[in-house]
Amino acid sequence: GENVEQHPSTLSVQEGDSAVIKCTYSDSASNYFPWYKQELGKGPQLIIDIRSNVGEKKDQRIAVTLNKTAKHFSLHITETQPEDSAVYFCAASKAGGYQKVTFGIGTKLQVIP
Amino acid sequence: DVKVTQSSRYLVKRTGEKVFLECVQDMDHENMFWYRQDPGLGLRLIYFSYDVKMKEKGDIPEGYSVSREKKERFSLILESASTNQTSMYLCASTSDSPLHFGNGTRLTVT
Repeated sequence: GENVEQHPSTLSVQEGDSAVIKCTYSDSASNYFPWYKQELGKGPQLIIDIRSNVGEKKDQRIAVTLNKTAKHFSLHITETQPEDSAVYFCAASKAGGYQKVTFGIGTKLQVIP
Repeated sequence: DVKVTQSSRYLVKRTGEKVFLECVQDMDHENMFWYRQDPGLGLRLIYFSYDVKMKEKGDIPEGYSVSREKKERFSLILESASTNQTSMYLCASTSDSPLHFGNGTRLTVT
């Protein structure tokens, strides 16, 4: 089955700096890679996703890159703000709602004002 | 907006009790999932369902069962709760991608 490794497990950055979280996956058949943000007391929420036919996707201060050959993908947050503090999860699956989604262990991001 | 509602925010149960965790979604999604979340282990899939009365085992189904009698409702059942089932339980639904999660049920088994 799929295995997703995520690092670092914790990350502290100064407000305004950039944060990068990296993930690798094992199953070359995976073609959908979402990123979720989990705030305290809430369930994870999708913040950005990328499909395997795209190498990079950007949404304001958030970007995700995908290297299919190396089987790794990364989340980049620029100009970090205190409200970016949360736990971030990467995940991998085949596209389609009935597919199993495999998650990384999560990264706790702390943005220091 | 999709709403996934988990009936209890916190639950405390005793070892050996039968426990029901309920989840309801309001977007007519075919697919529903139960995950448990533990520190250092991320989210692990327990069971999922792609249609009424259908179920599939996830990665850690032992000690759990599920029920899906109606499209909008997916129940997780702990037949005989044990202390190692103390965890945060997250329900999710989707029609395609991505998953939409509830806010979780924190279950403590004493």
